[in-house]
Amino acid sequence: SQELEQSPQSLIVQEGKNLTINCTSSKTLYGLYWYKQKYGEGLIFLMMLQKGGEEKSHEKITAKLDEKKQQSSLHITASQPSHAGIYLCGSPSIGAGGTSYGKLTFGQGTILTVHP
Amino acid sequence: GAGVSQSPSNKVTEKGKDVELRCDPISGHTALYWYRQSLGQGLEFLIYFQGNSAPDKSGLPSDRFSAERTGGSVSTLTIQRTQQEDSAVYLCASSLEGQETQYFGPGTRLLVL
Repeated sequence: SQELEQSPQSLIVQEGKNLTINCTSSKTLYGLYWYKQKYGEGLIFLMMLQKGGEEKSHEKITAKLDEKKQQSSLHITASQPSHAGIYLCGSPSIGAGGTSYGKLTFGQGTILTVHP
Repeated sequence: GAGVSQSPSNKVTEKGKDVELRCDPISGHTALYWYRQSLGQGLEFLIYFQGNSAPDKSGLPSDRFSAERTGGSVSTLTIQRTQQEDSAVYLCASSLEGQETQYFGPGTRLLVL
């Protein structure tokens, strides 16, 4: 079965600093989701990447998908305390017909703390 | 618009009791998922519904766990004879179709004493 490994497991940064979180898959990636979770809350969808080389940005968060390396990275520029939380990457499964369906396998999460 | 809602938000029960967790997906979403999040295991898939049928139940940990979905909308996850290791946050998600982005509810925190 597919496994996703995130690094680092936790990260503490000073407000204003840039940071990167990585998600590496043990198998071929057929898309990659990034979610954010605040303590005690559900997952908030950030971005979905579907094609190798794809890069998406939303506000100060940029995510890239490197299909060859079976890896995705999430980069936050000029971090703010509001960015604090747990970041999770998730990858969809492949059904019998070779198309992806929604069952997601998740990484273990990266805990981000941003000090003001 | 309204997001995914789950109830109850918290549940404390005694070992051996049955519990029911409810999920109301986003209106019009045909796909519905249950996941479990625990400290030791991270976020794990339990079951996937497309409409009222469940083509993938592979994540249900034992036959004490069951789920149903009626009317292509609300879903109920039932845990019979709860054990302490069932303590976790149970998350529900829905999507327009099986391949689409999943939107998660706030979860139900289950504590089995």
